[in-house]
Amino acid sequence: GAVVSQHPSRVICKSGTSVKIECRSLDFQATTMFWYRQFPKQSLMLMATSNEGSKATYEQGVEKDKFLINHASLTLSTLTVTSAHPEDSSFYICSARRDTFRDRSSYNEQFFGPGTRLTVL
Amino acid sequence: AQRVTQPEKLLSVFKGAPVELKCNYSYSGSPELFWYVQYSRQRLQLLLRHISRESIKGFTADLNKGETSFHLKKPFAQEEDSAMYYCALQGGSEKLVFGKGTKLTVNP
Repeated sequence: GAVVSQHPSRVICKSGTSVKIECRSLDFQATTMFWYRQFPKQSLMLMATSNEGSKATYEQGVEKDKFLINHASLTLSTLTVTSAHPEDSSFYICSARRDTFRDRSSYNEQFFGPGTRLTVL
Repeated sequence: AQRVTQPEKLLSVFKGAPVELKCNYSYSGSPELFWYVQYSRQRLQLLLRHISRESIKGFTADLNKGETSFHLKKPFAQEEDSAMYYCALQGGSEKLVFGKGTKLTVNP
């Protein structure tokens, strides 16, 4: 199968500190990973698209200096929440894109990590 | 603009009853539609996509371009189907746009 891990699964930090979240594709290479944010009882909102070896593409309204993304290898993307504040508290989910070949067709599929619960005090 | 609407936040049915989770979309081109499922304490996973026209765990979904809908159906719901279901759209890029989700509860 295609497994995506996230670390840590849960983090509590003080306001003003920075937090790094890792997203790894364990058994496949992913040139593209995605970072989502999910508020309680709400849907996943795409924050940015992370491309290996190049700058991330941020969605409108997402501060790139606040949410730093580094996709340094084909199996690892990191999201750093800088100078975190209580309003940054949320559930952060990553996904990794894998190309799949089936029935003589190819298509890409996103595999999701288990998420990271960030609480900023 | 790409938009996915799931009108029901909560849906409750009894075991063995038919279930339909509604999904409507807005997109000017030819979209790719997906249903994702999230079971309790588990990660989001793909249930089915319209291009594969598969039936997964008894669920089917047909893309209706006229009505811009992609409703998820199962003729006989099971208790293990209880989960959060998200409809998602992929337009011209790789990005997925998710609906707000429907929480399905199948009662014994």
